[in-house]
Amino acid sequence: GESVGLHLPTLSVQEGDNSIINCAYSNSASDYFIWYKQESGKGPQFIIDIRSNMDKRQGQRVTVLLNKTVKHLSLQIAATQPGDSAVYFCAESGANDKIIFGKGTRLHILP
Amino acid sequence: NAGVTQTPKFQVLKTGQSMTLQCAQDMNHEYMSWYRQDPGMGLRLIHYSVGAGITDQGEVPNGYNVSRSTTEDFPLRLLSAAPSQTSVYFCASSLAGPTYNEQFFGPGTRLTVL
Repeated sequence: GESVGLHLPTLSVQEGDNSIINCAYSNSASDYFIWYKQESGKGPQFIIDIRSNMDKRQGQRVTVLLNKTVKHLSLQIAATQPGDSAVYFCAESGANDKIIFGKGTRLHILP
Repeated sequence: NAGVTQTPKFQVLKTGQSMTLQCAQDMNHEYMSWYRQDPGMGLRLIHYSVGAGITDQGEVPNGYNVSRSTTEDFPLRLLSAAPSQTSVYFCASSLAGPTYNEQFFGPGTRLTVL
């Protein structure tokens, strides 16, 4: 909704360019990581996930990179389209089976 | 499949009133959960359920009750609404626990407490 995402960091990207959204996670024991997309007025939608035994995973136009050494996660979106405009959340989970969400980044597509 | 449905979409309450937010899923998922989302923040877990008859507290359970009498339904009750409970509420479900299993989210209920 319109009140979600106030005071969020914003990334502005030209249509057709690649987008890179970064996330620092908190728990070194986390072994499962997810990226969600949330469009205005809707619930979060699963994009891609990665387990801690991997450092890269690719989907359709999206790639997730995991750097466990510095506890960093990134989401790369190839050839960004207007429909990619949304708030993107990273999330982590570990042995307690509870998902911890980051605060989110707003992706703004420039025409 | 309708997926995860939530009602109502919008609700305004006065302080002290009670209400129930409804959530239903038709995917035969065992795991269901409630989150709240406040401006500039990620989602925070309120309560969750690993199956019918089993519920447990999440990160921010105070002021909320849940029950799970069927696999399909997971209502969230606000006992005595407070302005601090003004938020957007999301219900989610997954086949099993959310680690390694995709969570499906409902469209949300926007609640304002005056």
